[in-house]
Amino acid sequence: GQQLNQSPQSMFIQEGEDVSMNCTSSSIFNTWLWYKQEPGEGPVLLIALYKAGELTSNGRLTAQFGITRKDSFLNISASIPSDVGIYFCAGRRETSGSRLTFGEGTQLTVNP
Amino acid sequence: ETGVTQSPTHLIKTRGQQVTLRCSSQSGHNTVSWYQQALGQGPQFIFQYYREEENGRGNFPPRFSGLQFPNYSSELNVNALELDDSALYLCASSRTGLNSPLHFGNGTRLTVT
Repeated sequence: GQQLNQSPQSMFIQEGEDVSMNCTSSSIFNTWLWYKQEPGEGPVLLIALYKAGELTSNGRLTAQFGITRKDSFLNISASIPSDVGIYFCAGRRETSGSRLTFGEGTQLTVNP
Repeated sequence: ETGVTQSPTHLIKTRGQQVTLRCSSQSGHNTVSWYQQALGQGPQFIFQYYREEENGRGNFPPRFSGLQFPNYSSELNVNALELDDSALYLCASSRTGLNSPLHFGNGTRLTVT
């Protein structure tokens, strides 16, 4: 099925470094969401974006909804070991109810 | 506030068998959707239920079916299991409305041998 193009696929960083990941699509979405998934658990919502150009923060996390509505990025500042996990972007269209289209995920490893 | 709960957590079935997975939605949520997550991939939308009816479906065959009950809980049924059905099955609930985010359960890990 269709998925968003998410990059990078994986990242290995040192504790304290900043992280950036992004997601692009060939079509428009009305909502962009960022989730984090840890082993044995379901995705947990980090940030939801509802308007083109919107920049939203949640603690050390910042995400933006691209002006074209076809992309989004997530930044994590001053990474810590508990940031380890898989980060997924997801897009949602106005006409598709609770149907989300997910990216392939970014596996983040933080070395203490 | 109780989150989304799914049962069982793990399940092993044989090819050709049938399976039923269960989901209790978060309190106050009236819409339930199901996703299949293969190893190393993002979740793929199967279908969603609102007011006890299916009202959106992804690219999955008819042997994937579901139910939603008056208390908004839901079941996912898969008939004639195939090896490729091995995956993590996630249930998500939300209120209606585009600005209502989805909250996921921890999933059922299905292995088909």
